[in-house]
Amino acid sequence: ETGVTQSPTHLIKTRGQQVTLRCSSQSGHNTVSWYQQALGQGPQFIFQYYREEENGRGNFPPRFSGLQFPNYSSELNVNALELDDSALYLCASSLGGQGSNTEAFFGQGTRLTVV
Amino acid sequence: AQSVSQHNHHVILSEAASLELGCNYSYGGTVNLFWYVQYPGQHLQLLLKYFSGDPLVKGIKGFEAEFIKSKFSFNLRKPSVQWSDTAEYFCAVNALNFGNEKLTFGTGTRLTIIP
Repeated sequence: ETGVTQSPTHLIKTRGQQVTLRCSSQSGHNTVSWYQQALGQGPQFIFQYYREEENGRGNFPPRFSGLQFPNYSSELNVNALELDDSALYLCASSLGGQGSNTEAFFGQGTRLTVV
Repeated sequence: AQSVSQHNHHVILSEAASLELGCNYSYGGTVNLFWYVQYPGQHLQLLLKYFSGDPLVKGIKGFEAEFIKSKFSFNLRKPSVQWSDTAEYFCAVNALNFGNEKLTFGTGTRLTIIP
């Protein structure tokens, strides 16, 4: 157990819909990162939030957006879902956020299927 | 942009065999290096990390890795594998000049241990 929890664990959505995924970071951590892991691939960095501000973004379109709350939990929102958005979405929390020597702890992930 | 290559996509070994999984990255600046393991149905778990100092790092479950800066490599080794090591292994890099903890992952190596 890492102390990072994600909800829901599984989700099925229809193309064009919107989805919100949630993540509770490990106690004491101030940084949350989101990754997309397609089948048979390594996780791809979506973005990172540090103290409620976006702090780095990967090569994902603007319909992928996020929030971090004062308690450092986070949401990932995806609008106008496409079939290719089907993947495992991973949340990772860490203490630092500014390129320090720290390690990320991952949650179990949310398996999103878009039909 | 940084990238990570894992040349072995699927490795099959017998129990007690020695293991070496290759990882090469492309980035000229200072990096932190990681190996993560993903057991079936479980979250990504950190095996070991390199921040600085001794280039030979030891992790959990008897794994070790050697950072060779001149070769941009961070290969994972274990002298004698067990059936329980069957899992997916990911090498990851954090480039420290960007002010965040973005991890760039390789595509992963699936390790199957035959009893």
